[in-house]
Amino acid sequence: AQSVTQPDIHITVSEGASLELRCNYSYGATPYLFWYVQSPGQGLQLLLKYFSGDTLVQGIKGFEAEFKRSQSSFNLRKPSVHWSDAAEYFCAVGEPGGGFKTIFGAGTRLFVKA
Amino acid sequence: GAVVSQHPSWVICKSGTSVKIECRSLDFQATTMFWYRQFPKQSLMLMATSNEGSKATYEQGVEKDKFLINHASLTLSTLTVTSAHPEDSSFYICSAQEAGLNTGELFFGEGSRLTVL
Repeated sequence: AQSVTQPDIHITVSEGASLELRCNYSYGATPYLFWYVQSPGQGLQLLLKYFSGDTLVQGIKGFEAEFKRSQSSFNLRKPSVHWSDAAEYFCAVGEPGGGFKTIFGAGTRLFVKA
Repeated sequence: GAVVSQHPSWVICKSGTSVKIECRSLDFQATTMFWYRQFPKQSLMLMATSNEGSKATYEQGVEKDKFLINHASLTLSTLTVTSAHPEDSSFYICSAQEAGLNTGELFFGEGSRLTVL
């Protein structure tokens, strides 16, 4: 069965500093991978996704993620964090075909300090 | 972009009553919708997959008689929490996939917060 692990429950970075959020997955085939962001009390917004091709994918709001098959990882990065980036970030694995069931990691809460 | 709307955003009900939450895709058709439950400061737990015109597929441990799902049209899925109890209080989120697109991208509703007194 597929699973997603986000080892960091929360991370605090200074505004302007770089950010990396970790994600490891378990899936039998090449997965569809996603990063979503959730602001308090709201739904989720897609930041970026990986299906195939270039392993470095660019997303919205200056985020990028790199798929590393050998490490079963899909870490999210941003070179310079803004205060508005404070939110909960979820890594997810999608099962292609048959309805595309998506499983989410536990999430990482990002705090940004001035 | 694709918009998914949930209604109501907030609902408070008495124990023993039933509550219906609607999930609508406003500008696209969705053959598949998913219902998630999120506890405070936790991740989204997939409850069920809702397919238009057929019975929902429930995840292990989710009571299908407790959480009734109906997906009667390509733009509407409903979740009914029957005989709600305080332990059913949670944040319920729906998501939808656009019909005909095999991208896997989910479009999420704003969520519905249920409080059972």
